[in-house]
Amino acid sequence: QAVLTQPSSLSASPGASASLTCTLRSGINVGFYTIYWYQQKPGSPPQYLLRYKSDSDKRQGSGVPSRFSGSKDTSANAGILLISGLQSEDEAAYYCMIWHSSAWLFGGGTKLTVL
Amino acid sequence: QITLKESGPTLVKPTQTLTLTCTFSGFSLSTSGVAVDWIRQPPGKALEWLALIYWDDDKRYSPSLKSRLTITKDTSKNQVVLTMTNMDPVDTATYYCAHQYDMETDIWGQGTMVAVSS
Repeated sequence: QAVLTQPSSLSASPGASASLTCTLRSGINVGFYTIYWYQQKPGSPPQYLLRYKSDSDKRQGSGVPSRFSGSKDTSANAGILLISGLQSEDEAAYYCMIWHSSAWLFGGGTKLTVL
Repeated sequence: QITLKESGPTLVKPTQTLTLTCTFSGFSLSTSGVAVDWIRQPPGKALEWLALIYWDDDKRYSPSLKSRLTITKDTSKNQVVLTMTNMDPVDTATYYCAHQYDMETDIWGQGTMVAVSS
């Protein structure tokens, strides 16, 4: 079982909100981890969005709009990237990442379609 | 302004050793807290972290690839080099280097595509 699991795809309408989840494997408590989020558009390198550990320990990437935000669902053992006011330019792949056992680990990515 | 650029061969043969160079500007790898990461992405697939090197020469490797990877730095040249031995077609990917500071891997290079084929 992968350490980080992301839905492979998600669709949402322009102007709506999208909630992208990153579920940690059972036995790895999301409460202890900072979740990092990246956006990647076809043919381009990933762009750093933000990191989130708690409401008092979070940081937005440079120039990243405030409509991108992070949170956690501790009951689901998951990190969440919330994108509000969806725009067509938000259509991309989104990856979560954690530092676990002295290594960076990525989730499998979610392809967000805005239609 | 921080920039990074990856360079190396576009094609290697199976069993060969791949050597990639990351040349950067806008920061120093002798500054406390700074690191450079290597990440790869096979065509149409997810990102996979490979290795990182810190300002103090501490190094970390992906557990699954550790036996094949070596990362080094040349601070005077602003370069980080990654070598990967025993290349296989499954190692075909775009290889990225990225700047890390304060546990944030925030600036990435454009990547270099490496194909493994005989």
